[in-house]
Amino acid sequence: DADVTQTPRNRITKTGKRIMLECSQTKGHDRMYWYRQDPGLGLRLIYYSFDVKDINKGEISDGYSVSRQAQAKFSLSLESAIPNQTALYFCATSDYRGSLYEQFFGPGTRLTVL
Amino acid sequence: GDSVTQMEGPVTLSEEAFLTINCTYTATGYPSLFWYVQYPGEGLQLLLKATKADDKGSNKGFEATYRKETTSFHLEKGSVQVSDSAVYFCALFSNQGGKLIFGQGTELSVKP
Repeated sequence: DADVTQTPRNRITKTGKRIMLECSQTKGHDRMYWYRQDPGLGLRLIYYSFDVKDINKGEISDGYSVSRQAQAKFSLSLESAIPNQTALYFCATSDYRGSLYEQFFGPGTRLTVL
Repeated sequence: GDSVTQMEGPVTLSEEAFLTINCTYTATGYPSLFWYVQYPGEGLQLLLKATKADDKGSNKGFEATYRKETTSFHLEKGSVQVSDSAVYFCALFSNQGGKLIFGQGTELSVKP
């Protein structure tokens, strides 16, 4: 079974709809992240959380919100989706290991906003 | 702020060719450096890493050396295979906020 899972894997929605993307992990990591990937732009950080009571904005948080329901669950919401939020979204986790800070990624959610 | 710059793709090579993907970074101090790989339809996975100057990370025939003097971490492989076709991301761990900073990714396509 995958250590980091994302649901749904694909979603097509319309402008103005509210969308929630969910992420669950079984790695026991305390840190979780949401990124979006756009062609030619690499990965950009949306939000991150270092523990259940900690939520931080990344570089492109406008139009998004998150909820850390438990150590293992981190959800990303688009309150009112717009077409330029069409992208591939990744959840990731990490745990402190010396100075390495390796991150483990889910398989991604492909979101299309029409 | 901290940043990572990779050579632009796509890169197309024939099987058994030599691969170099350039990566340079800007950061305060000496960050840990990483190469991640994304195979088609999958999430990113760590390929190799280096934590200090002159360290060489290696995995699956790929290598990269942490060069402090040139602020670089170029990825190399002596003989690529079709199965190496993927997108490769260079990244650093930024001490400003404790986050990974990714380059824009380089797509590699290896033809038989």
